[in-house]
Amino acid sequence: KAGVTQTPRYLIKTRGQQVTLSCSPISGHRSVSWYQQTPGQGLQFLFEYFSETQRNKGNFPGRFSGRQFSNSRSEMNVSTLELGDSALYLCASSPRGQGANTEAFFGQGTRLTVV
Amino acid sequence: AQSVSQHNHHVILSEAASLELGCNYSYGGTVNLFWYVQYPGQHLQLLLKYFSGDPLVKGIKGFEAEFIKSKFSFNLRKPSVQWSDTAEYFCAVSPRGSSNTGKLIFGQGTTLQVKP
Repeated sequence: KAGVTQTPRYLIKTRGQQVTLSCSPISGHRSVSWYQQTPGQGLQFLFEYFSETQRNKGNFPGRFSGRQFSNSRSEMNVSTLELGDSALYLCASSPRGQGANTEAFFGQGTRLTVV
Repeated sequence: AQSVSQHNHHVILSEAASLELGCNYSYGGTVNLFWYVQYPGQHLQLLLKYFSGDPLVKGIKGFEAEFIKSKFSFNLRKPSVQWSDTAEYFCAVSPRGSSNTGKLIFGQGTTLQVKP
């Protein structure tokens, strides 16, 4: 069974630009969550989608947004990039989402560098 | 506020030494508990999980963890570490309830270095 796939693996963007990251969950998983990992703040929850609906959102500014498609694939968008957005962005999928008794499976992440 | 605290940021052990990594969480309701491991250059992998039942759970590679509800703790243990256990370890909590759906709260992580 293929794991969670994130593309691209690495990105370099300039301040003020926008970026879109993609995540393909494990087949059959309907929940996709996104996390930001930085050395200073650790792993922080961004948002979670289930059946194309955002069910939960972390404490991030509105520049961070996402969506989920009917095939459960998800994209995350960051507009007006700031230097502080440089991070590893992780996607996780699970059959039903946390809260139910399921675990999250993580992808390799997308390393975003903002210059 | 919901939070997870890992007691040790950096642990250095010799092979065959015993390991215990502390984890405490702050949340008044029912939670699911996890330990994840991130080996160098690899993605986060689940070591073990607790949903309910026996508070002593066993995971992969000889790891185990004990949930102590009264102490809001979920400490990770391994009797004898190996060099291959060198990695970063994350404790994570998933509060139950519709408002917390899909959300994992992570500790800051503990870097374990095992010397051969």
